[in-house]
Amino acid sequence: AQSVAQPEDQVNVAEGNPLTVKCTYSVSGNPYLFWYVQYPNRGLQFLLKYITGDNLVKGSYGFEAEFNKSQTSFHLKKPSALVSDSALYFCAVRDTGTYKYIFGTGTRLKVLA
Amino acid sequence: ETGVTQTPRHLVMGMTNKKSLKCEQHLGHNAMYWYKQSAKKPLELMFVYSLEERVENNSVPSRFSPECPNSSHLFLHLHTLQPEDSALYLCASSQEGQYGYTFGSGTRLTVV
Repeated sequence: AQSVAQPEDQVNVAEGNPLTVKCTYSVSGNPYLFWYVQYPNRGLQFLLKYITGDNLVKGSYGFEAEFNKSQTSFHLKKPSALVSDSALYFCAVRDTGTYKYIFGTGTRLKVLA
Repeated sequence: ETGVTQTPRHLVMGMTNKKSLKCEQHLGHNAMYWYKQSAKKPLELMFVYSLEERVENNSVPSRFSPECPNSSHLFLHLHTLQPEDSALYLCASSQEGQYGYTFGSGTRLTVV
């Protein structure tokens, strides 16, 4: 079965420091991978996706993610965190051959001033 | 605004009430979804409509009843809910052949 795991419930990082939010996946076939961000009392907003091509994907708000096939990971990164990046981050994988997306449990990112 | 609008934003209802959640999208997408978001749980896919036909129902209790009258509108009718149904209900839309969803801001439902 297709699945995605976010091993950390919360990540704390100081403003200006690099941040990483982890995601691993399990799919049969080629994965379609996504990151979404959710601010308080809002829906999920699309950040970036990996479908094919370059393993380093750049997205909105300075975020990027690295697809690593051997480690089945798709970690979200940003070189310098902002307090305004504090939010809930979801990794998702598209179920191969269907329209369904499987989401992780989310990781709360807290950037400290 | 993302192009997907959900109303109301907040809803408090008793267990014997009947209410409806509304979702509207003006993106020209041809698929719409209802998700349930509870704390510390993965997003739970409830219903999928593609081209206005329900194509998926993930064993959701019958007290939740979806309706998709056209490709731009999606409803979730609620009746005799339980307190454990309290959650954020998210609507999303997508277009066949494109990747990713567009989500609405959600309806925060509290069942008392």
